Amino acid sequence: GENVEQHPSTLSVQEGDSAVIKCTYSDSASNYFPWYKQELGKRPQLIIDIRSNVGEKKDQRIAVTLNKTAKHFSLHITETQPEDSAVYFCAASHNTNAGKSTFGDGTTLTVKP
Amino acid sequence: GAGVSQTPSNKVTEKGKYVELRCDPISGHTALYWYRQSLGQGPEFLIYFQGTGAADDSGLPNDRFFAVRPEGSVSTLKIQRTERGDSAMYLCASSLTRLHEQYFGPGTRLTVT
Repeated sequence: GENVEQHPSTLSVQEGDSAVIKCTYSDSASNYFPWYKQELGKRPQLIIDIRSNVGEKKDQRIAVTLNKTAKHFSLHITETQPEDSAVYFCAASHNTNAGKSTFGDGTTLTVKP
Repeated sequence: GAGVSQTPSNKVTEKGKYVELRCDPISGHTALYWYRQSLGQGPEFLIYFQGTGAADDSGLPNDRFFAVRPEGSVSTLKIQRTERGDSAMYLCASSLTRLHEQYFGPGTRLTVT
């Protein structure tokens, strides 16, 4: 089955700096890669996703890149703000079995003001 | 509109007891997912429904776990003979179809004493 590894487990940055979180996956058939933000005590919320037919996607301060050959994808947050502090999860799934998303173990991002 | 809701928000039960956890998906969403999240880890897939049928139940840990979605809307996750290791946050998510974004509910925190 699919295995997703996420690094780093914790990340601390100064407000205004960039943050990068990386994930690798094992199943070459995976073609959908969402990123979720989970604030303390709250539900995971989708912040951006990418499908395997594109290499990069951007939404304001957030971007995701995908390298299918190397089987890794990354989340980039620029101009970080204290409200970006949360746990971020990457996930991987295949269209024909999209329900079975495999998640990474999360990255706790702390943005210091 | 209303998001995914789950009841109860917290459930404390004794080892060996039976519990039912309920999920109300977003109206019109055909796909429904159950995940289990332990502290410090990402959500772990349990089961996925497309309509009334379980399209993939490969994540259920053993036969003590069972889920139903009799009318293609509300779903119930049932756990028999609970064990302390079942203690976790149980998350439900729904999506318009299996190819669309998943929206998570607030979760039910299950504690088995």
